[in-house]
Amino acid sequence: GQNIDQPTEMTATEGAIVQINCTYQTSGFNGLFWYQQHAGEAPTFLSYNVLDGLEEKGRFSSFLSRSKGYSYLLLKELQMKDSASYLCAVMDSNYQLIWGAGTKLIIKP
Amino acid sequence: ETGVTQTPRHLVMGMTNKKSLKCEQHLGHNAMYWYKQSAKKPLELMFVYSLEERVENNSVPSRFSPECPNSSHLFLHLHTLQPEDSALYLCASSQEGSGSYNEQFFGPGTRLTVL
Repeated sequence: GQNIDQPTEMTATEGAIVQINCTYQTSGFNGLFWYQQHAGEAPTFLSYNVLDGLEEKGRFSSFLSRSKGYSYLLLKELQMKDSASYLCAVMDSNYQLIWGAGTKLIIKP
Repeated sequence: ETGVTQTPRHLVMGMTNKKSLKCEQHLGHNAMYWYKQSAKKPLELMFVYSLEERVENNSVPSRFSPECPNSSHLFLHLHTLQPEDSALYLCASSQEGSGSYNEQFFGPGTRLTVL
């Protein structure tokens, strides 16, 4: 079966750095997405990785290792507004998105 | 504001009621999706419409009936629902085709409670 694993919840301190991991087992691979979802709001796109390596976009970076079936989202200089759920999703060989259950990130002052 | 709107934002219905959820996208996309989001569970894809034709069903119970009258509008018709159908229903759209990695844009969702 297809599976995406990510931690259920993480806590970090304002101004610090946090890494959210995602491992996957899917039938084929056509890219990995990270989305941010604030409580009661729509998920919004953060990043897309299809090749191995690190993609940096401001305070957020996303890393992919296809051989290990592994990705992480790195958030730097954490702000209170970064408190949200972070969803990992993989596009399989049928171009269908397989979603993880999301990681709830709690930022403390 | 993602360019995808959903109405209503909240809906409470009894098991014998019939209601419809509406989604509209203002992005010129050619694909639209219905997802179910339950607490602490992955997003569940319910239906996909590409170029106004349904391409995915994913064994959704028949009490959920989608309708896509044109590329900008998507409906989810609900009837005789069960309490376990209570969830957040999300609509999304994307542009399928070459040169695109099919990033999906989501609406804010409809919070459905079935009594």
